[in-house]
Amino acid sequence: GAGVSQSPRYKVAKRGQDVALRCDPISGHVSLFWYQQALGQGPEFLTYFQNEAQLDKSGLPSDRFFAERPEGSVSTLKIQRTQQEDSAVYLCASSPLRAWEGQPQHFGDGTRLSIL
Amino acid sequence: GENVEQHPSTLSVQEGDSAVIKCTYSDSASNYFPWYKQELGKRPQLIIDIRSNVGEKKDQRIAVTLNKTAKHFSLHITETQPEDSAVYFCAASRGDSSYKLIFGSGTRLLVRP
Repeated sequence: GAGVSQSPRYKVAKRGQDVALRCDPISGHVSLFWYQQALGQGPEFLTYFQNEAQLDKSGLPSDRFFAERPEGSVSTLKIQRTQQEDSAVYLCASSPLRAWEGQPQHFGDGTRLSIL
Repeated sequence: GENVEQHPSTLSVQEGDSAVIKCTYSDSASNYFPWYKQELGKRPQLIIDIRSNVGEKKDQRIAVTLNKTAKHFSLHITETQPEDSAVYFCAASRGDSSYKLIFGSGTRLLVRP
């Protein structure tokens, strides 16, 4: 596809369940980012991958959050034992180059996660 | 910690007028400043960006200015159209890890026909 694709677009889960969110970056993009966007707020950085290497996970809120990109393309963000405060839109973005310098990040439409 | 403040939070203008959104940042080492437009339920779309070695950049009706000394940057939209209505986010890269963007809290722009 032409852009970053995320699935599912909407996810409803009960508190305590595990969820997995998928991101298909633009083909060939080296850098991949996950963000969390609360209602009415700007995106907040969660984690960064360069190819398959997770170089920065400083933004992950707790050890219940886990991200992977095993083959350097598709990435999955997993949240274990979900809590109500995890409700947000989770955005994925990709960039064509190694992100040593700030560069344009192309976002997907996000997954809206609602925890009941 | 590093933060980006954005104002106003809402802005209403008449079609054809100009709109200005301002952001300030705290990290003097920030060197990359993108602006994103986000329509309801849609992805943030990059509309313009500027690097710290440039003071101004223009793309058709959109321009961005950067004042490194004062640590603020602004988005200017001229000849606004109803389709410009959206939420606009500014962002600044962190100085110690420039791939990491710190976003402002957004400006909801409404262009009245």
